Amino acid sequence: SQTIHQWPATLVQPVGSPLSLECTVEGTSNPNLYWYRQAAGRGLQLLFYSVGIGQISSEVPQNLSASRPQDRQFILSSKKLLLSDSGFYLCAWTEPLLMNTEAFFGQGTRLTVV
Amino acid sequence: QQQVKQSPQSLIVQKGGISIINCAYENTAFDYFPWYQQFPGKGPALLIAIRPDVSEKKEGRFTISFNKSAKQFSLHIMDSQPGDSATYFCAASRNNAGNMLTFGGGTRLMVKP
Repeated sequence: SQTIHQWPATLVQPVGSPLSLECTVEGTSNPNLYWYRQAAGRGLQLLFYSVGIGQISSEVPQNLSASRPQDRQFILSSKKLLLSDSGFYLCAWTEPLLMNTEAFFGQGTRLTVV
Repeated sequence: QQQVKQSPQSLIVQKGGISIINCAYENTAFDYFPWYQQFPGKGPALLIAIRPDVSEKKEGRFTISFNKSAKQFSLHIMDSQPGDSATYFCAASRNNAGNMLTFGGGTRLMVKP
């Protein structure tokens, strides 16, 4: 069965520090991968998506970047965190060859920038 | 640009009552409309989904009603239970866009015992 792992679960980082959040998927090949951010009490905002290794599309220009060094690994990074980067970050995956398929989410990372 | 608008932002329902959450979309190219349920500190999980070729889909106590001409769809939770207390998100996607989901703003549901 497929599983998605996302870590760390919580993170407190000072302003100006770097960030690296990692997400890995098991049990599938060539998944579509996504990073979402959920601000407190708000909806899910798509940040990045990837349809293959090294292929990253950004939905919102910002202080963050994403990389996909391996087929089932998706990394969210920042060189210098801003206070506004605080939020709940969610990684998700979908099957690439199925139409309108379910998105499976990780457990999320609660990032607090102080 | 908010392509999927969801209301209300919060909802309080008595146990046994009906919870109704509404969503409206703008992009007529959307062809898949799922609802996700999220408990605090967890990732969202698919609850129920509908495609525009049907007007209603029911799974247990959960029903989606879909009005293609009005570009609206809603989630009805019958016999609401305290365990249904969660945040609910409607979403929409189009298959030729890599299954990317556009989410509504979410509805925080509280079911009082």
